[in-house]
Amino acid sequence: GENVEQHPSTLSVQEGDSAVIKCTYSDSASNYFPWYKQELGKRPQLIIDIRSNVGEKKDQRIAVTLNKTAKHFSLHITETQPEDSAVYFCAARAFYDYKLSFGAGTTVTVRA
Amino acid sequence: NAGVTQTPKFRILKIGQSMTLQCTQDMNHNYMYWYRQDPGMGLKLIYYSVGAGITDKGEVPNGYNVSRSTTEDFPLRLELAAPSQTSVYFCAVSGPSNQPQHFGDGTRLSIL
Repeated sequence: GENVEQHPSTLSVQEGDSAVIKCTYSDSASNYFPWYKQELGKRPQLIIDIRSNVGEKKDQRIAVTLNKTAKHFSLHITETQPEDSAVYFCAARAFYDYKLSFGAGTTVTVRA
Repeated sequence: NAGVTQTPKFRILKIGQSMTLQCTQDMNHNYMYWYRQDPGMGLKLIYYSVGAGITDKGEVPNGYNVSRSTTEDFPLRLELAAPSQTSVYFCAVSGPSNQPQHFGDGTRLSIL
């Protein structure tokens, strides 16, 4: 089955700086890669996703890049704000599967 | 439009008791999932369903049972509650192909 590794496990950034989270996946059949943000005590919420026919996708201060050859994808948050503090999960799903495989999560802290 | 509704929000059980966690969706999606999230940890898949009458085990199914008699409902049953089942339980739904999973608000379960 798919195995997703996520790094780093914790990330502290100064407000206004950028944050980058990286994930690698093992199954070359994976073609869907969502990112979720989970604030303390809340449910995971989808913030951006990318499909394998696209190399990069942006939504305001958030961008995701995908390198299919190297089997890794990354989340980039620019101009970080205190409300970006949360746990972020990457995930991957193979075209033949109904399930998502999640990374272990990255706790992002934005220092004011 | 409620999306994914989970009840109850909180529950305390005694060891050996049984209970059913309810999950109802009004999104008309076929795929439904149950996850557990232990404190400070990631999401672990318990069971999932690809349609009414069809269920399958995830990575941590022991101690749980599910049923799927309708598209809308996917209840999770704990038969003999154990302290190791203290966790937050999330239900999620998704549409076909490469569609994102949408999570409910979760049920916080403590077993004492």
